[in-house]
Amino acid sequence: AQSVTQLGSHVSVSEGALVLLRCNYSSSVPPYLFWYVQYPNQGLQLLLKYTSAATLVKGINGFEAEFKKSETSFHLTKPSAHMSDAAEYFCAVSEDFGNEKLTFGTGTRLTIIP
Amino acid sequence: GAGVSQSPSNKVTEKGKDVELRCDPISGHTALYWYRQSLGQGLEFLIYFQGNSAPDKSGLPSDRFSAERTGGSVSTLTIQRTQQEDSAVYLCASSLAGQTRYGYTFGSGTRLTVV
Repeated sequence: AQSVTQLGSHVSVSEGALVLLRCNYSSSVPPYLFWYVQYPNQGLQLLLKYTSAATLVKGINGFEAEFKKSETSFHLTKPSAHMSDAAEYFCAVSEDFGNEKLTFGTGTRLTIIP
Repeated sequence: GAGVSQSPSNKVTEKGKDVELRCDPISGHTALYWYRQSLGQGLEFLIYFQGNSAPDKSGLPSDRFSAERTGGSVSTLTIQRTQQEDSAVYLCASSLAGQTRYGYTFGSGTRLTVV
C-alpha cells in the first residue's frame, strides 16, 4: 500500500519568508500526489496535484510543489508567506490506477509569525 | 448541489447512543468516501463507495461502524453504541469515477463529541 510521510507536525515561518512543507512518499512511484489545505473548522481544499504531466506543479494561492523521483519527495513551497496561509496542510497519495482511495499524511500545521 | 454537504455540522451524544451522519455528494459524483480526523491525527480512511460496486469497508474500525449509500447518492455513516474514542471530525468527500487525478471534493465535516 502507498504511504506518505510529512516531516514536521508544526512549522512556523515569518510573514514574507519562504514556506517549505515536506512530504515523502513510499518507494513505488504513485499514480498521483496531492496537497490539501484545511482552514479552521472547514473541510479540506485541494491546493495542487501531481499527475505525471509535469514535475513542477503550480497550485492556488501561490503554492507549488516539485515531484522528485530520486528523493521520493513532493515538498510544498511558497516564496513569501502570508498571514492567510496559516492552516493545516496534508499530503496525499493515490493507491494505484483504478483504485480511487487516497492515503493522507498526518498533516503539518503552519503558523505565520507577524 | 454545488458542493459536498454534511449534516449535522456538530453532534454531541451520550456514550452508548447510536448516531447517524449524513453526506450529500456533488451531483453526478459516483465515488464517495468517508474519513475520520481525530485530534492531532491525520485522516483515517473509513469506507469508499464506487457506483454499484461493493464498498471498500477496509477502514471501518469496528463492527459498530457501518455506512450505506442509497440510490448512488446520499450516504449515511452510522455508529452504534458510541464510545468516547469515537469523538472526531467525520469528513465525507466525493469524486467522479475514474477521475482520482482531479482529487476529491470534501465537505466541511461533522464534529462528533461523545460525552
